[in-house]
Amino acid sequence: TQLLEQSPQFLSIQEGENLTVYCNSSSVFSSLQWYRQEPGEGPVLLVTVVTGGEVKKLKRLTFQFGDARKDSSLHITAAQPGDTGLYLCAGDLQGAQKLVFGQGTRLTINP
Amino acid sequence: GAGVSQSPSNKVTEKGKDVELRCDPISGHTALYWYRQSLGQGLEFLIYFQGNSAPDKSGLPSDRFSAERTGGSVSTLTIQRTQQEDSAVYLCASSLSVGELFFGEGSRLTVL
Repeated sequence: TQLLEQSPQFLSIQEGENLTVYCNSSSVFSSLQWYRQEPGEGPVLLVTVVTGGEVKKLKRLTFQFGDARKDSSLHITAAQPGDTGLYLCAGDLQGAQKLVFGQGTRLTINP
Repeated sequence: GAGVSQSPSNKVTEKGKDVELRCDPISGHTALYWYRQSLGQGLEFLIYFQGNSAPDKSGLPSDRFSAERTGGSVSTLTIQRTQQEDSAVYLCASSLSVGELFFGEGSRLTVL
């Protein structure tokens, strides 16, 4: 059983379209992070959200942490081919001292 | 270097052999993690070291897997009697605390 469920697992869209990726759990997290990974490299942190209801923007990317701190979403506006990659959410379980990762969303933006 | 360094970057071994994977974390980072990633999927937690505390080994899949961290710095992940299902990319990450993880590029293990 995956503690963090990401959806969709695969997404292929045209350049210029908008998209949303979801990360859901029944557990409460102290914080939640989003990483992006390109082939042959390790994941790189995009953002950390810590407060329920928090919204953070990073250029065309908008991240939201659910009010109950159990879920998060990543919204990309006007997607570009450079956004292609594997997007991973990771949560810091309350009381635990480790990050658990979702299975990832493989995003392909076609020119 | 300034980042997390892992070696070897690629390892091909025969079933039944032992392998050692090395991770050199960012200097000063007290936390060190090992994760396993299969075929571009998500990351499976293996083990976590934090300072001088006992490591969290709850993610190790079997007793063939072990890891140590010497002097609070370099870590070695050892897989004994490798099996084909052990084939994956093994990622190491370090951090100052439970927060931003800085990953190495991984060690790709192929068991024939």
